[in-house]
Amino acid sequence: GQNIDQPTEMTATEGAIVQINCTYQTSGFNGLFWYQQHAGEAPTFLSYNVLDGLEEKGRFSSFLSRSKGYSYLLLKELQMKDSASYLCAVRGFGGYQKVTFGTGTKLQVIP
Amino acid sequence: GAGVSQSPSNKVTEKGKDVELRCDPISGHTALYWYRQSLGQGLEFLIYFQGNSAPDKSGLPSDRFSAERTGGSVSTLTIQRTQQEDSAVYLCASSPRSELNTEAFFGQGTRLTVV
Repeated sequence: GQNIDQPTEMTATEGAIVQINCTYQTSGFNGLFWYQQHAGEAPTFLSYNVLDGLEEKGRFSSFLSRSKGYSYLLLKELQMKDSASYLCAVRGFGGYQKVTFGTGTKLQVIP
Repeated sequence: GAGVSQSPSNKVTEKGKDVELRCDPISGHTALYWYRQSLGQGLEFLIYFQGNSAPDKSGLPSDRFSAERTGGSVSTLTIQRTQQEDSAVYLCASSPRSELNTEAFFGQGTRLTVV
């Protein structure tokens, strides 16, 4: 089975850096995704990690440690528009490759 | 189409009625997923299609839920004898392949309210 844990809520200040953690236990692993979801909208893709290490994309970076079952999403130079839920999702092995989502971390950026 | 299209966008139904939710994936996408999201909650996996077959139906909450996909394209999720706890946003996503680092693209969802 798969179990994904993220903090429920976080608050950070505009212009600052915030790290959102995700831990997972899964019977198989074939990649980890981060999605952003604004209230009332569909999730949109942010990043994908399948190998250990840091993937950087503009203000957003994502890190993965497969041995620890751990990932984080790093948001730099926070903007008010970054207020959203951030969903960690894991793709498992098998004849099929189900993508399982965590419950998400609701980030509030304050002035 | 340009993106994943879901219809209807909103559906209000009476308890006990059947409903059908439709998903038009991005053209050429072979993988299709259905998720359910209750207010303030994460995404609950329902079912996954690879082409027309559904290798994983483990997330369907009960036998009142069923889904099919025809022609490797459009999918319908059917809920029979709806209950109030079925009220949620039903999200569909598609991806071009499931083997590689291909992200899923989501539709805007169908908001189902059972009264």
